[in-house]
Amino acid sequence: SQTIHQWPATLVQPVGSPLSLECTVEGTSNPNLYWYRQAAGRGLQLLFYSVGIGQISSEVPQNLSASRPQDRQFILSSKKLLLSDSGFYLCASVQGSHGQYFGPGTRLTVL
Amino acid sequence: GDSVTQMEGPVTLSEEAFLTINCTYTATGYPSLFWYVQYPGEGLQLLLKATKADDKGSNKGFEATYRKETTSFHLEKGSVQVSDSAVYFCALTTTGGFKTIFGAGTRLFVKA
Repeated sequence: SQTIHQWPATLVQPVGSPLSLECTVEGTSNPNLYWYRQAAGRGLQLLFYSVGIGQISSEVPQNLSASRPQDRQFILSSKKLLLSDSGFYLCASVQGSHGQYFGPGTRLTVL
Repeated sequence: GDSVTQMEGPVTLSEEAFLTINCTYTATGYPSLFWYVQYPGEGLQLLLKATKADDKGSNKGFEATYRKETTSFHLEKGSVQVSDSAVYFCALTTTGGFKTIFGAGTRLFVKA
């Protein structure tokens, strides 16, 4: 089965600072990869998805970006964080109709 | 567009009570349906799934039946435990398995 790794687990950053969250996948090849954000007590908001190296689709316009430099690596970035970027960021991988595998998440607090 | 609607929480039950969390969906084609569970501070875990009409997904005492006629996928458990306290998400994957649409989540509290 697949394993999703995310780091860091928690992050506290000042407003206006840059961001880089990394996600790596084990146990599969050529997966579809996803970044979600979950605000406190809320549901999941799909931010980006990728069907292959260098292929990124954005679901919500904002100051975040994503990149997929390798088949099993997915990176979420920002040049300047906003207060509203605080939340729980989840990376996920899926193949076919087997459902999504989620990473443990990164809790980001922007102060 | 495709969507998932699930009952708002929180749902508070006593241990050994019967659980139902309602979920209905709107989708074109023949989606696959899922229930995910999220324990505090963790990512989501797949709880169960059903890929076609009348399929019953089950795991850890939870079950849900894919009802095409009522476009529903209600989650049930006959006897809940304190350890079942978590947030439960209903979801569908569109035909082709490209995107997953999640419901808003239902928080369950089980009291001893």
